[in-house]
Amino acid sequence: DAGVTQSPTHLIKTRGQQVTLRCSPKSGHDTVSWYQQALGQGPQFIFQYYEEEERQRGNFPDRFSGHQFPNYSSELNVNALLLGDSALYLCASSPTRQSYEQYFGPGTRLTVT
Amino acid sequence: DAKTTQPNSMESNEEEPVHLPCNHSTISGTDYIHWYRQLPSQGPEYVIHGLTSNVNNRMASLAIAEDRKSSTLILHRATLRDAAVYYCILRGQHTGTASKLTFGTGTRLQVTL
Repeated sequence: DAGVTQSPTHLIKTRGQQVTLRCSPKSGHDTVSWYQQALGQGPQFIFQYYEEEERQRGNFPDRFSGHQFPNYSSELNVNALLLGDSALYLCASSPTRQSYEQYFGPGTRLTVT
Repeated sequence: DAKTTQPNSMESNEEEPVHLPCNHSTISGTDYIHWYRQLPSQGPEYVIHGLTSNVNNRMASLAIAEDRKSSTLILHRATLRDAAVYYCILRGQHTGTASKLTFGTGTRLQVTL
């Protein structure tokens, strides 16, 4: 059983560009959350998707948006990239009815130059 | 979200027990105490959680103070593979969908031979 998978592994973008990161949740999970982890910091919650809708959102600007597909996979989009967006982006999935545990993917390392 | 306080770093010898403390003096009656850890170059992984009683699982034990204002994660025999950043997190009462995790900076555990 594959766990949470994310693509790409690494990405380099230029300021002002747009980026899309992808996540496939663990089999049987229908809730996907995204986190941003800056170097030396703990992950910060961006938003959560369930039933193809954004259910919770952290303190991130509208440049960060997402989508969840009918197969529960998800995308994170970031527009007008800033140098400060350089970070590890983590996706986590969880089953709806057993929500005490979240399963994290290995992350996508985004570098903005 | 209620705040947690953890030491920045701790060291342990291999095969010795490790006690990782966490203070959460503003915890509410319905907050669960969760522990996650993040190994190098990986996403966080769930370790254990509890509400009032001490908890044990295959990975660790969680000791919760009677007033719930502090807790301790116990690794019974540390191995080199336990070297990671350990996060103590408070989560509100579980709902139908997984609620967000609010990470601090955690405790970096070093394990030496």
